[in-house]
Order: sequence, then C-alpha cells, then structure tokens
Amino acid sequence: AQKITQTQPGMFVQEKEAVTLDCTYDTSDPSYGLFWYKQPSSGEMIFLIYQGSYDQQNATEGRYSLNFQKARKSANLVISASQLGDSAMYFCAMREVIQGAQKLVFGQGTRLTINP
Amino acid sequence: KAGVTQTPRYLIKTRGQQVTLSCSPISGHRSVSWYQQTPGQGLQFLFEYFSETQRNKGNFPGRFSGRQFSNSRSEMNVSTLELGDSALYLCASSLSGTQQETQYFGPGTRLLVL
Repeated sequence: AQKITQTQPGMFVQEKEAVTLDCTYDTSDPSYGLFWYKQPSSGEMIFLIYQGSYDQQNATEGRYSLNFQKARKSANLVISASQLGDSAMYFCAMREVIQGAQKLVFGQGTRLTINP
Repeated sequence: KAGVTQTPRYLIKTRGQQVTLSCSPISGHRSVSWYQQTPGQGLQFLFEYFSETQRNKGNFPGRFSGRQFSNSRSEMNVSTLELGDSALYLCASSLSGTQQETQYFGPGTRLLVL
C-alpha cells in the first residue's frame, strides 16, 4: 500500500518569504503521480501542482514549484514570495491505481500560517 | 467550465437518520470519487465510480453506499447515522481516473450528526 508522510503539522512564515512544505512517500509502483492541494478554512480542496514519476523536470505552477527527489522519495512543495492568502492546510497526495481502481492517498497535512 | 458542485453544503441530522449527498462532476468527467475528512482520521477514501460502476471502495461499513447516474452525477448515502459520521464529505472528479489525471474537488458537504 502507498503511504504519504507530512512531518510538519504546522508552519509559521513571514509574508514574502519562501516556504518549503515536506512530503515523503512510499510506493513500489514505478508509475505514480503526486499532487499537492490547498484547503482554506472554507473546506474546498484546491489543486496546486502535479508531478508524474516519469517527468524529467520538476513541476512549476506560478509561485508553486515541486522539489521532486525520486531517489529519496520526496516531493516537497515550495511556495515563493508567500502571501497572506496562502494561509491554509496543505495536503500532499498520491494516486493509487490497482487493476484500474483508483483512489488518492493523502498525508496528514501541514497548516501554514503567513504572518504580516 | 463549471467546477465540481456538491449539495447540500451543510446538513444537520440526528442519530439513526439517513442522508443523501449529491455531487455533479465537471462536464466531461466520468470518474467521481468520494472522501470523508475528520479531524481524527484525516482524509479517507470512500469509493470511486466510473461509468455508473463502482470501481473501488474504501474501508467503510455497509451503511455507506453510493451510485452514479448516466450523466456522471453521483450520490452517496449514509444510513443509520452515528455521531462519528460527522465530517466534511468531499467529492472529486476526473476524466477517466487514470494515474496521470488530476482530481478536482468540490466545496464539500459538512455533515453534523447530533
């Protein structure tokens, strides 16, 4: 079974600073996909960025980038120039597919607080 | 293109009652998944539907059931509600549910069982 570990329950960062949220994963499947989602207090899960296991380059989406280190099985999210609106829960997830049946396996999340 | 919609957004029920939650996926998406989120257990997978067929089911009791209609809309039902069923229920959709696709989530339904 696949497993996602997020070791930072909470992080506090000053506005405009960069922040790295850690995520490590465990899977025996050579083909997998890793996702990061943001969940504000409203509850909706907002997709941020995706990294495929065979992607040659680290994924980037605006201020978000993924530091993908396959050998270490880590997929850390980097947010550059943090903003007050970045305060939220952040979840790392992996898609698990077994015989065509799929589900997302989530980590426990990291609560990010941006201080003015 | 409209996102994933879920109704109702908030729900209060009492123990023993049953509840039905609805999810409309993004147009063209045929895979719909349901997740339960609680402070204690985090995000847990309930089930996934594709073309009206349940392809995968999480480790939940039989009180939790679902279905998908021909237009890809999905419903989940919880019978004989328990206090522990209080949670945020999230629905997500993707084109066909393959490994490389992104799942897009709806705003969720907050269920409170009294």
